[in-house]
Amino acid sequence: AQTVTQSQPEMSVQEAETVTLSCTYDTSESNYYLFWYKQPPSRQMILVIRQEAYKQQNATENRFSVNFQKAAKSFSLKISDSQLGDTAMYFCAFMNTGNQFYFGTGTSLTVIP
Amino acid sequence: DADVTQTPRNRITKTGKRIMLECSQTKGHDRMYWYRQDPGLGLQLIYYSFDVKDINKGEISDGYSVSRQAQAKFSLSLESAIPNQTALYFCATSDSPTSGRARDEQFFGPGTRLTVL
Repeated sequence: AQTVTQSQPEMSVQEAETVTLSCTYDTSESNYYLFWYKQPPSRQMILVIRQEAYKQQNATENRFSVNFQKAAKSFSLKISDSQLGDTAMYFCAFMNTGNQFYFGTGTSLTVIP
Repeated sequence: DADVTQTPRNRITKTGKRIMLECSQTKGHDRMYWYRQDPGLGLQLIYYSFDVKDINKGEISDGYSVSRQAQAKFSLSLESAIPNQTALYFCATSDSPTSGRARDEQFFGPGTRLTVL
């Protein structure tokens, strides 16, 4: 079975600074997808960024980027130039070849003005 | 209009009552999912369906049942609600790998907050 671990329940960052959220996963599969979802106070789950395991290049989406280390099974999210609107729960997720998703327990990020 | 909708958005009920949560989508996706979210536990998969004739149990299916009435509709039922089913429930959809649209992410509804007294 796949597991996803987020070891940082809560984090904070000053506005305009950079923060990195950690995620590790466990799988025996070689082909899979990884995601970071954001859940603001509105409760809506919003996709932030995705990474395909067969791609070595780290995904980037504007201020969001990942550090994907396949051998270490690590998938961290870096948020640059943090904004107040980045305050949210962030969930790391793994999708296997059967299209089943597994989510981590989340990291609550607070951006401090 | 939202692509994935859930009704009701909030519900308070009593122990032993039967509850149905409904999910509809206009994305044309074959695959639909039900999750529950508890504080500190992230999202846990209850049931999923890859097409109208396909229903599969997830990690925590006990106490729940589902019905896939159509491609666009997937409902979750609690036959006899109990207090530890108090949670936030999410419906999600995703495209199938054979669709040719090459999208693998899940699209979530706004969630239903259920309280069982």
